[in-house]
Amino acid sequence: EAAVTQSPRSKVAVTGGKVTLSCHQTNNHDYMYWYRQDTGHGLRLIHYSYVADSTEKGDIPDGYKASRPSQENFSLILELASLSQTAVYFCASSDWGAFYAEQFFGPGTRLTVL
Amino acid sequence: GDSVTQTEGQVTVSESKSLIINCTYSATSIAYPNLFWYVRYPGEGLQLLLKVITAGQKGSSRGFEATYNKETTSFHLQKASVQESDSAVYYCALSDYTGGADRLTFGKGTQLIIQP
Repeated sequence: EAAVTQSPRSKVAVTGGKVTLSCHQTNNHDYMYWYRQDTGHGLRLIHYSYVADSTEKGDIPDGYKASRPSQENFSLILELASLSQTAVYFCASSDWGAFYAEQFFGPGTRLTVL
Repeated sequence: GDSVTQTEGQVTVSESKSLIINCTYSATSIAYPNLFWYVRYPGEGLQLLLKVITAGQKGSSRGFEATYNKETTSFHLQKASVQESDSAVYYCALSDYTGGADRLTFGKGTQLIIQP
């Protein structure tokens, strides 16, 4: 069974602090993605990666960094968390790019920045 | 850029009644994007419900259907008789190949509540 797990599942952070969200997949997929969802918005792509040690910017990359140290792991880093980054974050994986392939999603991480 | 507009907010339907969730799309750099419906059950990640890649075709899964209509740029989700287990958030999405990078564009999601 394909699986994408995220940690933590929820987090409260302080403004200006550093936050790292982690994602792990056991699907043997090349592509991994980070999305955020805010109330009243659809999921929006932050960063993605199609190979280990390489990341690409999505549609809303400002204020976020990503890291792909291995095929299985993909992290999202907020160096200086801000109130506007309060959202639910989803990680996903796919074996081909988004145009062709089904994406498998993790359960989400609810981040609250105070 | 691309956009997806779907029935907003919350939809409440009585069990065994029919359902339609509207979805219209706009794709700026491709004539025929791929179209998807994803569903998110409580406590879980999004999962693919159905996908259609050819205009004019219908996709179906778990009793749900959606037809890719390129004339009206629509991809409405329908079910003839809903069950309590269908309570979830439904997302319409399209995939495009913009600027050399393929990506999904999602609608805002529609929360479906089934009344027993």
